[in-house]
Amino acid sequence: KAGVTQTPRYLIKTRGQQVTLSCSPISGHRSVSWYQQTPGQGLQFLFEYFSETQRNKGNFPGRFSGRQFSNSRSEMNVSTLELGDSALYLCASSLNGNLFYGYTFGSGTRLTVV
Amino acid sequence: KQEVTQIPAALSVPEGENLVLNCSFTDSAIYNLQWFRQDPGKGLTSLLLIQSSQREQTSGRLNASLDKSSGRSTLYIAASQPGDSATYLCAAAEETSGSRLTFGEGTQLTVNP
Repeated sequence: KAGVTQTPRYLIKTRGQQVTLSCSPISGHRSVSWYQQTPGQGLQFLFEYFSETQRNKGNFPGRFSGRQFSNSRSEMNVSTLELGDSALYLCASSLNGNLFYGYTFGSGTRLTVV
Repeated sequence: KQEVTQIPAALSVPEGENLVLNCSFTDSAIYNLQWFRQDPGKGLTSLLLIQSSQREQTSGRLNASLDKSSGRSTLYIAASQPGDSATYLCAAAEETSGSRLTFGEGTQLTVNP
């Protein structure tokens, strides 16, 4: 059974550009959450999608957005990149979006903004 | 607002030692608590998930306990091995905040051969 797949694994972007990250959840999982991990702030919740609808959102600026497709795959977009956006972006999926089952995380996308 | 704290921030032990990692949370109204392991530059690997109605969960050499009333969880690792070296994170899920997890800062464990 395939796990949560995130692509690409590594990205280098220039300040001011935009970037799109992709996450494919475990088959059958309909909930996808995104987290940002930095040395200074630790792991912070970005947003969660369930059945193509954003169900929950963290405290990030509007430059961070996402969407979910009918096959449950999700994309996260960051526009007008800033140096501080350099981080490991982690995606997690959950069966039926139910907290009871916990979360499975992917390996992450390492974004470096120069 | 839920806050999760992990103590100690770093721990170095000789191989074979039993050890305890601590996690505390400020809001006891949690739905469940999950322990993860993270190797350098990698994603999170789920170790144990404890529902709010449970007191502990076990998997191999790992045992996690939960005391909601005191806002604490512990992860016990028996007979530690060098391969256990990693950062261990606990995360609380609150039903009131929807589906988000609130993470601690982690405990960086080093097991020396």
